[in-house]
Amino acid sequence: KAGVTQTPRYLIKTRGQQVTLSCSPISGHRSVSWYQQTPGQGLQFLFEYFSETQRNKGNFPGRFSGRQFSNSRSEMNVSTLELGDSALYLCASSSGLAGGPSDTQYFGPGTRLTVL
Amino acid sequence: AQKVTQAQTEISVVEKEDVTLDCVYETRDTTYYLFWYKQPPSGELVFLIRRNSFDEQNEISGRYSWNFQKSTSSFNFTITASQVVDSAVYFCALSDYKIIFGKGTRLHILP
Repeated sequence: KAGVTQTPRYLIKTRGQQVTLSCSPISGHRSVSWYQQTPGQGLQFLFEYFSETQRNKGNFPGRFSGRQFSNSRSEMNVSTLELGDSALYLCASSSGLAGGPSDTQYFGPGTRLTVL
Repeated sequence: AQKVTQAQTEISVVEKEDVTLDCVYETRDTTYYLFWYKQPPSGELVFLIRRNSFDEQNEISGRYSWNFQKSTSSFNFTITASQVVDSAVYFCALSDYKIIFGKGTRLHILP
């Protein structure tokens, strides 16, 4: 079974631009979660999508948004990029059937975003 | 309040030594789940174990073992006979109504 894939793996943008990251979950998984990882803040939960609906949300500004398609693939968008958005963005998939807390999440390799 | 503390920021041991990574958590819920993940230099988090709050049985998987003690809110991870390939950042995570991760422990296994 193929794992979670994320594209692109590396991205360089400038302040003010916007960016879209993509995540394909493990086949059969319906839940996709996004995380931001930085040296200072560690791993922080952004949001979770299940069956094309946002089910949970972390404490990030509205510049961070996402969506999920009918095939469970998900995209994350960050608008008006700031220097502080430079991070590793990780996507994780799970079956989603247990409702969240008990699900084991399987992570992709991440997208390294650098904002100049 | 929901919190995960991994007090050890960085640990270095010589290959073949045993090493224990500490994890202490806080939650008000009686039902919750605990996880350990490994993050090698490639960046991908690798799932190691999941434990629910009602199962305090310790677990052993090869050279890895986990000690869950509800009385002290700890879920420690021991690597026996460490190997260089164990070098990575290890994260402990707590999931009750949402999942949060500890800051991680960077483990260096020296040849």
